[in-house]
Amino acid sequence: NAGVTQTPKFQVLKTGQSMTLQCAQDMNHEYMSWYRQDPGMGLRLIHYSVGAGITDQGEVPNGYNVSRSTTEDFPLRLLSAAPSQTSVYFCASGRQGKSSPLHFGNGTRLTVT
Amino acid sequence: AQTVTQSQPEMSVQEAETVTLSCTYDTSESDYYLFWYKQPPSRQMILVIRQEAYKQQNATENRFSVNFQKAAKSFSLKISDSQLGDAAMYFCAHPGQDGNKLVFGAGTILRVKS
Repeated sequence: NAGVTQTPKFQVLKTGQSMTLQCAQDMNHEYMSWYRQDPGMGLRLIHYSVGAGITDQGEVPNGYNVSRSTTEDFPLRLLSAAPSQTSVYFCASGRQGKSSPLHFGNGTRLTVT
Repeated sequence: AQTVTQSQPEMSVQEAETVTLSCTYDTSESDYYLFWYKQPPSRQMILVIRQEAYKQQNATENRFSVNFQKAAKSFSLKISDSQLGDAAMYFCAHPGQDGNKLVFGAGTILRVKS
């Protein structure tokens, strides 16, 4: 049982480059989300989706795009990387509802120089 | 806005002793859940324990238990018989109004001394 698979584990970008972080889950979860983790700030929600074809912004969406064409996949796109986007990124999924915990991928450490 | 506050950036505990990590939150909801996650150096996010606000009884999972004070909006995590493997960052989390949208505290680094 793979759970939430996130790739790559590490990435270095130059300012202005674009890239896509991949996320896939095999638990048939309706809800998927992307967080970034920065020291002293916990995890902050970037974008989320409650089902295929539905996405919405979280707390810190600027500079990121998402799409949800299938239940399983929820890629995060950085359009023009900036040093402020240096962070650890987590994809998470869960069943709909406030009682359901989130299942996390193993994270991507992104450095923008 | 939903907020979660962890006021202890770092805590230390001697192996085999007990430690309590603090968490307070703000919500206008009456029925909600609260979560503690553990993040070891491997970076993995692991669910430790979950508490439903309507339940009077504090949740317990083996050596981990919570002290849930609904009126005070406090949700602390107690780790008994601490082990070296408990060393990690611990995050308290509370869902926003839309259910799954977890709001996280800043985290507490727990160090376990042998």
